[in-house]
Amino acid sequence: QSALAQPASVSASPGQSITISCTGTTTDIGGYPYVSWYQEYPGKTPNLIIYDVTSRPSGVSDRFSGSKSGKTATLTISGLRTDDEAVYYCSSYSITDTLVIFGGGTKLTVL
Amino acid sequence: QVQLTQPRTEIRKPGASVKLSCRTSGYKFTSYYIHWLRQAPGQGPVWLGVINPSGGDIRYSQAFQGRVTVTRETSTSTVYLEVTNLRFDDTALYYCVRPTVAFTYGTYFDHWGQGTLVTVSS
Repeated sequence: QSALAQPASVSASPGQSITISCTGTTTDIGGYPYVSWYQEYPGKTPNLIIYDVTSRPSGVSDRFSGSKSGKTATLTISGLRTDDEAVYYCSSYSITDTLVIFGGGTKLTVL
Repeated sequence: QVQLTQPRTEIRKPGASVKLSCRTSGYKFTSYYIHWLRQAPGQGPVWLGVINPSGGDIRYSQAFQGRVTVTRETSTSTVYLEVTNLRFDDTALYYCVRPTVAFTYGTYFDHWGQGTLVTVSS
């Protein structure tokens, strides 16, 4: 099964807001409310920042928010900071044999 | 605290096999499924399989079925991933991960091992 589709990169200035899209199919994002997002710094393991489309784990800033419409999920980061510069991955439950499917990642650059 | 401990590196030749370990601690081993993912350089993670350490229920990605085997050893709270007939494109960082929610497959992961870098080279 193909990975979820994410833009390769996005960039913005400190203080601005950005959105990262993640597009799947009816067998994953479009069919179930189980989208999650991870933040990955170079050389580190991914860190969960959004689960079940809109929920934030304890300790994650409310500058991070998630949403979903149809087959596309979106991560929004408001009030960008330089330490938000990282790679962001989306993930979803899949009804296929691939229980969990990930996107290819989006590199966020904060100029 | 919850820890998933993995060896750092493994090197194998094409056609060989590798058995990766994931030793868990800091929680009740039989309460949480353990998943295996792999991540090639510059790419997103790919799901390989999952095991229920309590009942031994196992599921695999069809893309890897027949080449990967997940097992567990409850006496040491350790989960294993064996990959056979290694190819050059199996070179990747292999992670064991634990979902946030107990007693279910889970679809999101808040605990990750540090990953084992498997290099397939002749």
